[in-house]
Amino acid sequence: GAVVSQHPSWVICKSGTSVKIECRSLDFQATTMFWYRQFPKQSLMLMATSNEGSKATYEQGVEKDKFLINHASLTLSTLTVTSAHPEDSSFYICSAAYTNTEAFFGQGTRLTVV
Amino acid sequence: ELKVEQNPLFLSMQEGKNYTIYCNYSTTSDRLYWYRQDPGKSLESLFVLLSNGAVKQEGRLMASLDTKARLSTLHITAAVHDLSATYFCAVELVFGNEKLTFGTGTRLTIIP
Repeated sequence: GAVVSQHPSWVICKSGTSVKIECRSLDFQATTMFWYRQFPKQSLMLMATSNEGSKATYEQGVEKDKFLINHASLTLSTLTVTSAHPEDSSFYICSAAYTNTEAFFGQGTRLTVV
Repeated sequence: ELKVEQNPLFLSMQEGKNYTIYCNYSTTSDRLYWYRQDPGKSLESLFVLLSNGAVKQEGRLMASLDTKARLSTLHITAAVHDLSATYFCAVELVFGNEKLTFGTGTRLTIIP
């Protein structure tokens, strides 16, 4: 399958700071990228859908001003967690797809806010 | 709103036994996925089921889809320890938009 790379794999940050997570499709152009959040021992919950060159579509209950998503190119989407707090600590996973195909998942980023 | 439920949530079974994980979803859909997740890792794609009656097999795992019953099953045959993981089904509500709604997950533990 296609390769999606997420960076960093893990990050620890202080409360109140911002952290950026990158999601890259390495061998294909992704028309759509998705960002999921997974709390311990829970399922994946979709946070937002992003299409290259347009604003992200956020799921109900996800604060768009707190979770900034930029999809500047067909191979890169970024998620910035602004003013992070301990309750934002989670496992963040991106996926990428091109039209009408299976979405491919990145390796995930474990965020710990202290 | 699409709801996806898995049963059971936890499953502990002995090596060599067979078992089935069930995935029920609430709204019509024609594309269903099964994933495996190991602790601390991301998702590994197992199966993509695209139509009613689809059946796919890989090693000791076999997945099927009944779109009329809105049910998919993941059957494990002669379980081995390496299959211990959490298994998720995911449903694509609108064909072609790749947006997935995940099931609750089934944590499978294979006991030697």
